[in-house]
Amino acid sequence: AQRVTQPEKLLSVFKGAPVELKCNYSYSGSPELFWYVQYSRQRLQLLLRHISRESIKGFTADLNKGETSFHLKKPFAQEEDSAMYYCALMNNNAGNMLTFGGGTRLMVKP
Amino acid sequence: DTGVSQDPRHKITKRGQNVTFRCDPISEHNRLYWYRQTLGQGPEFLTYFQNEAQLEKSRLLSDRFSAERPKGSFSTLEIQRTEQGDSAMYLCASSLEANTEAFFGQGTRLTVV
Repeated sequence: AQRVTQPEKLLSVFKGAPVELKCNYSYSGSPELFWYVQYSRQRLQLLLRHISRESIKGFTADLNKGETSFHLKKPFAQEEDSAMYYCALMNNNAGNMLTFGGGTRLMVKP
Repeated sequence: DTGVSQDPRHKITKRGQNVTFRCDPISEHNRLYWYRQTLGQGPEFLTYFQNEAQLEKSRLLSDRFSAERPKGSFSTLEIQRTEQGDSAMYLCASSLEANTEAFFGQGTRLTVV
């Protein structure tokens, strides 16, 4: 069975500090991973997916198959980054449904 | 707003009543997904449609739950004989085709009292 774990429920940093939101997964196939973000009172939206290898809003995430991790990083946090972040794994054998982690709330203090 | 829309946004119902939620996906999106999110948890997959065909259902979807997408456009999710444990945010998402970005609606928050 596939599983996504985000060990931190809350991460609090000061503006300008580096951020790393952790995500570990278990999946028997070739994983396809995503980070979704939910800003206050807004809908869940895609932040980035590992196959695109893009940097969105200064965030990057590298898939590490050896450690089964897909941590989200940003070198300098901004107050507007404060949000809920969800790591998700796509099941290509079940209609591309997503398995989400429990989420990490990022708070960036001024 | 041309995104995924869900109606109603909030629903309060008494235990034992039936409720129905509606989701309108982005136009021309073939795939439609339903997820459920309880407090402090990430969304959990319930079911998905490819056009009007329901192709996958989670074990979370008990026989009190039924979903339809009759014309391959909007979808409904019905919960019969609601229980307090059904209280959650019900999210709908759509995507154009396989392996493309899923766009989420704002959800319907159900409270069973």
